[in-house]
Amino acid sequence: AQSVSQHNHHVILSEAASLELGCNYSYGGTVNLFWYVQYPGQHLQLLLKYFSGDPLVKGIKGFEAEFIKSKFSFNLRKPSVQWSDTAEYFCAVNAWAGKSTFGDGTTLTVKP
Amino acid sequence: EAGVTQFPSHSVIEKGQTVTLRCDPISGHDNLYWYRRVMGKEIKFLLHFVKESKQDESGMPNNRFLAERTGGTYSTLKVQPAELEDSGVYFCASSQERGLNTEAFFGQGTRLTVV
Repeated sequence: AQSVSQHNHHVILSEAASLELGCNYSYGGTVNLFWYVQYPGQHLQLLLKYFSGDPLVKGIKGFEAEFIKSKFSFNLRKPSVQWSDTAEYFCAVNAWAGKSTFGDGTTLTVKP
Repeated sequence: EAGVTQFPSHSVIEKGQTVTLRCDPISGHDNLYWYRRVMGKEIKFLLHFVKESKQDESGMPNNRFLAERTGGTYSTLKVQPAELEDSGVYFCASSQERGLNTEAFFGQGTRLTVV
């Protein structure tokens, strides 16, 4: 069975600080990897995804993530966060059939 | 193009009552998924429809939950009778394809509170 572990439940940063959210998964086969974001009162939105190819993936709003197969990791990064990045972030793994396994989520609070 | 829409956005019901949640997927998406997030924990898979057929219902918690997708368009998820532990956010997602390299699009979720 797949599982996803997000390392931090709540992260508080000041604007312009750098962000890294950890995500590790357990599954031995080929996977697709996703980061989703949910802003307050809004639906889950896809930030970025990894299917194959370059393990460094760039997404929307300046986010990027790096897939390190040997570490089963897919950490999310942003060099300089903004107040508008305050949201909840979910890492997800999809091994087949479109069904995804999610982590617990990380709440990011950015102080202006 | 309209995204995945869910109704209602919030529902508060008493224990023992029945609630029906609805999901309208993106037009043309054969694959529809229900997920649930309880008490700030992970978002958990409930089931997967391909058109009107249940492809995988391994995540359904018990027989108080009934999902349907008549005609392969919108889907409903009924909880009857609701229990306190059913409180949470119910998400619906849809995708055109299934399998690897497939992206699913999510709705805004229905927040269910059972009191």
